[in-house]
Amino acid sequence: DSGVTQTPKHLITATGQRVTLRCSPRSGDLSVYWYQQSLDQGLQFLIQYYNGEERAKGNILERFSAQQFPDLHSELNLSSLELGDSALYFCASSGTGGGGTQYFGPGTRLLVL
Amino acid sequence: AQKITQTQPGMFVQEKEAVTLDCTYDTSDPSYGLFWYKQPSSGEMIFLIYQGSYDQQNATEGRYSLNFQKARKSANLVISASQLGDSAMYFCAMRGMMDSSYKLIFGSGTRLLVRP
Repeated sequence: DSGVTQTPKHLITATGQRVTLRCSPRSGDLSVYWYQQSLDQGLQFLIQYYNGEERAKGNILERFSAQQFPDLHSELNLSSLELGDSALYFCASSGTGGGGTQYFGPGTRLLVL
Repeated sequence: AQKITQTQPGMFVQEKEAVTLDCTYDTSDPSYGLFWYKQPSSGEMIFLIYQGSYDQQNATEGRYSLNFQKARKSANLVISASQLGDSAMYFCAMRGMMDSSYKLIFGSGTRLLVRP
């Protein structure tokens, strides 16, 4: 158990819909990262938050957004979903400054039908 | 740009034998970190081992060791005394220290199957 929690574990939804994925980092970790794992793109970095502020963006679509709340949990919002958004979405957290090892949550498996 | 290459899509190993999973990397950062993660069929990503670019010694964690050859830009994972539970996908990843985001760049992975 990495100490990072993600909910829900599975999500099945339809094209055009909007979903919210939730992540709670390990106790004391200030950095939260979101990654997408798909069959065709592999594991890709989406976005990072550090202590409530956006630190970096990767290959994140404009239809996707994220935020980190004062209690350090984070949410990834995916809207206008398309079939190609079906993937495993991971949240990871690391310690102060973001330079430590990233520990991953169990992931949320999203299926868009 | 940073890049991780894993050239072995799949590998077999006999139980109790050692196996080496290959990883090569490319970066212009003078300082970086290399990681290996394990992804069992259940899907979670499990951190195995870390090597810093300035570390003088190869990292070891139990049955895992990282064969770091800086000049060759390789960071191979060695698993000793393989167990059936080692069957999984293994990902090599790199983090540049100059990149303030500290994001991980992953390779495409190697699927390891341990035979009884």
